[in-house]
Amino acid sequence: EDQVTQSPEALRLQEGESSSLNCSYTVSGLRGLFWYRQDPGKGPEFLFTLYSAGEEKEKERLKATLTKKESFLHITAPKPEDSATYLCAVQAVSNSGYALNFGKGTSLLVTP
Amino acid sequence: GAGVSQSPSNKVTEKGKDVELRCDPISGHTALYWYRQRLGQGLEFLIYFQGNSAPDKSGLPSDRFSAERTGESVSTLTIQRTQQEDSAVYLCASSLEVSYNSPLHFGNGTRLTVT
Repeated sequence: EDQVTQSPEALRLQEGESSSLNCSYTVSGLRGLFWYRQDPGKGPEFLFTLYSAGEEKEKERLKATLTKKESFLHITAPKPEDSATYLCAVQAVSNSGYALNFGKGTSLLVTP
Repeated sequence: GAGVSQSPSNKVTEKGKDVELRCDPISGHTALYWYRQRLGQGLEFLIYFQGNSAPDKSGLPSDRFSAERTGESVSTLTIQRTQQEDSAVYLCASSLEVSYNSPLHFGNGTRLTVT
């Protein structure tokens, strides 16, 4: 059975304190791995798609990397506005209609 | 341009009543997805549409749930005889096509509370 596990569940950082969020997955045939950001009361907002091990994508203070078993979302010198829940999702060969299987997310709080 | 729009944003209903949730996808997006997000849980896939067709309905939690899409545009998710366990945020997403390299774009959801 396909599984997506995110850690930690919650993370508190001081402004400027870099860290990484982890997404480990077991799927039978990965088509893509997606990162989303979700603010309270809002729908998930697309950040990145990674397709193969070794691939990296960057956007402002965020960098996503992918290996054969996990993905990391690195946050460099975070700011309070980076506070949100970060969701990881996989798109597997077995997924109906290329739907995404989501992890439960990491809730990030960045304090001034 | 306009994103995915969902209505109502909040719905409170009594147990046993029927509810309809509406989704307006991004114009031109042929694929549409419904997810459910319960408190403290990950997003749960319910159903997808390719055009107006729903090839796989196996993700719907029970036969009280149904969905349709018309004009390759608006979609409605209907829950009959609502139960308290149906309380959740229902999210709709659309993508340009049903494809591996077509990311999903989500609306802000409908928060359903069954009392």
